[in-house]
Amino acid sequence: DTAVSQTPKYLVTQMGNDKSIKCEQNLGHDTMYWYKQDSKKFLKIMFSYNNKELIINETVPNRFSPKSPDKAHLNLHINSLELGDSAVYFCASATQTRDEAFFGQGTRLTVV
Amino acid sequence: ILNVEQSPQSLHVQEGDSTNFTCSFPSSNFYALHWYRWETAKSPEALFVMTLNGDEKKKGRISATLNTKEGYSYLYIKGSQPEDSATYLCACKTSYDKVIFGPGTSLSVIP
Repeated sequence: DTAVSQTPKYLVTQMGNDKSIKCEQNLGHDTMYWYKQDSKKFLKIMFSYNNKELIINETVPNRFSPKSPDKAHLNLHINSLELGDSAVYFCASATQTRDEAFFGQGTRLTVV
Repeated sequence: ILNVEQSPQSLHVQEGDSTNFTCSFPSSNFYALHWYRWETAKSPEALFVMTLNGDEKKKGRISATLNTKEGYSYLYIKGSQPEDSATYLCACKTSYDKVIFGPGTSLSVIP
């Protein structure tokens, strides 16, 4: 069983569309994250959710919104997609105590 | 501004060579230092989590040390193998929950 799974793996969409990327973890972790891999391959944290509360909200555009229906899911909604949103987005989860992050396989978003 | 640096940016070694990389991070508000191994077309996998000054961790041929007072961590690979080829990331977590990744060191082990 995949510990952290993201869907879809690839997403190609037009500018102006609204899209979602789903993330689920079956590890029982209490914290989930969204990261963006930028054009220089750096991993930049976007959001962190702990027990369904947002505890970090980096300076990302408010077109991006995390939605956590329960502790095992943290979905990423993106409104009015722009060309610059094209990137690989990684979901991850961790425990507060152990702290190391387990990553999903990434979603490559291409906005055309 | 918090910045995590890694050096070298890339490294090519022969199979059997031992190698090491450096991660430097701000020592103020330090909480934890993570090392990850990231193979192409895969997702990052955690190697070590270290929190205390002087921590040393080992997993097989890979080991890491931590100096929180001066703000650096070393990752060592003994007797590199082709399957060690990957990007090695370090990430610093601060006491107020901010996580910052370094740019990574890309290692290629030549058979």
